Amino acid sequence: GENVEQHPSTLSVQEGDSAVIKCTYSDSASNYFPWYKQELGKGPQLIIDIRSNVGEKKDQRIAVTLNKTAKHFSLHITETQPEDSAVYFCAASTGSRDKVIFGPGTSLSVIP
Amino acid sequence: DAMVIQNPRYQVTQFGKPVTLSCSQTLNHNVMYWYQQKSSQAPKLLFHYYDKDFNNEADTPDNFQSRRPNTSFCFLDIRSPGLGDAAMYLCATSRVLAGVETQYFGPGTRLLVL
Repeated sequence: GENVEQHPSTLSVQEGDSAVIKCTYSDSASNYFPWYKQELGKGPQLIIDIRSNVGEKKDQRIAVTLNKTAKHFSLHITETQPEDSAVYFCAASTGSRDKVIFGPGTSLSVIP
Repeated sequence: DAMVIQNPRYQVTQFGKPVTLSCSQTLNHNVMYWYQQKSSQAPKLLFHYYDKDFNNEADTPDNFQSRRPNTSFCFLDIRSPGLGDAAMYLCATSRVLAGVETQYFGPGTRLLVL
C-alpha cells in the first residue's frame, strides 16, 4: 500500500523567512496530493492541493511542487507569519474511492 | 455556511461507558469518514461510508461502530471505551472532483476517558 514520508518533523523559522516541507510517496499510481494545516485543538484544514498532471501550483504565499518521476512533492510558504504556526500534513491518494494516506506531520513554528 | 459540524466538541466518559459522537454536514457530500487522531500523530482512518456502503479499516477495533442514517448525519459509537481510546475524533466528508476526492474536516471531538 501507499506510504507517505514527511520531513522535517519540526521546523522553526523567523518571521518573513520561507519554510519548505518535503514529502515522498511510494505508490506510483497516486495522483492527488493535498496539504492540510492543523491548528491546535482544531480539525485539519485543506490549504492547497495538486494533481499529477500539474508540476506546480501557487496560491498567494503558498506553493506546492510535484516531481512524479522522483515521487516527491513539497510545500513552500514564503514571507511566513506567526499565524502560519501549525502542524502541516501532506497526503497522497490514488483517486476516487481510495483513502487518503497522510504523512506524519511537520510542526512549524514561526518566531516573531 | 456549508460545513462539517461535530458535537460535542469535548466529551468526557468513564471507562467502559458507551459514548456516541455525532457529525453532520451541509455540503451534501456522499462520502463521510471517521478518523482517530492521537497527540502528535496523523489522523488514522477508522471507517468511511460511500453513500450507504460501509467500509471498515482492517485494524479498526470491534469496539468502534458507526451509523449513517441519512446523507447528512454520521455517528461514531464506542461501545466500551478504554483509556487508550482517549483521542481527538475527526469527521470528514468528501466530494469527487475530476476523479479525485477532496476531504473536508470538521473541528473534531476531543474524548477523555476517566
